[in-house]
Amino acid sequence: EDKVVQSPLSLVVHEGDTVTLNCSYEVTNFRSLLWYKQEKKAPTFLFMLTSSGIEKKSGRLSSISDKKELFSILNITATQTGDSAVYLCAVATGTASKLTFGTGTRLQVTL
Amino acid sequence: EAQVTQNPRYLITVTGKKLTVTCSQNMNHEYMSWYRQDPGLGLRQIYYSMNVEVTDKGDVPEGYKVSRKEKRNFPLILESPSPNQTSLYFCASSLSVWGGYTFGSGTRLTVV
Repeated sequence: EDKVVQSPLSLVVHEGDTVTLNCSYEVTNFRSLLWYKQEKKAPTFLFMLTSSGIEKKSGRLSSISDKKELFSILNITATQTGDSAVYLCAVATGTASKLTFGTGTRLQVTL
Repeated sequence: EAQVTQNPRYLITVTGKKLTVTCSQNMNHEYMSWYRQDPGLGLRQIYYSMNVEVTDKGDVPEGYKVSRKEKRNFPLILESPSPNQTSLYFCASSLSVWGGYTFGSGTRLTVV
């Protein structure tokens, strides 16, 4: 059974802090690892990682994965209140239509 | 605007009354999926489709049916809803085989 585990479950930081969110997985036939941000309703896509050791960046967010050690991290620098959300990690396997999600990390950024 | 559209957004129904949640995407995506989201359990995949007339079960398919007769539409059918199907449902679609999905706005279903 495919498994994705995220840590920590929740996190409270002050605006301006840097945070690191973790995602580890045990799956068969790995295709890609994806990060999503979920605020009120629908998850919105952040990154897709298919190769080990290659960092993806978008503004203050960055992510990297290690296919040998089976984990990924999502970094957010200079956090803002608008970063408050649940961050979801998912792994695509097989045909890539099969996605297994972790239960998410709830991030709260306070003033 | 590129989007995935689900209807209805909210639905309260009674046990055993068949219902359909519609999902439509305007991005010509081949891959589509349905998920349910429950507190503490996260997003779990119900069914997915790789193209027209090609569907497969996800992790929690019991009590659900899907069909993919056209590329843009992927309805979720609950033949005989039960209270344990009360949940928040998402439809999603992707162009890429690597899985960068776009999600619909969700359907909150309550079965009483």
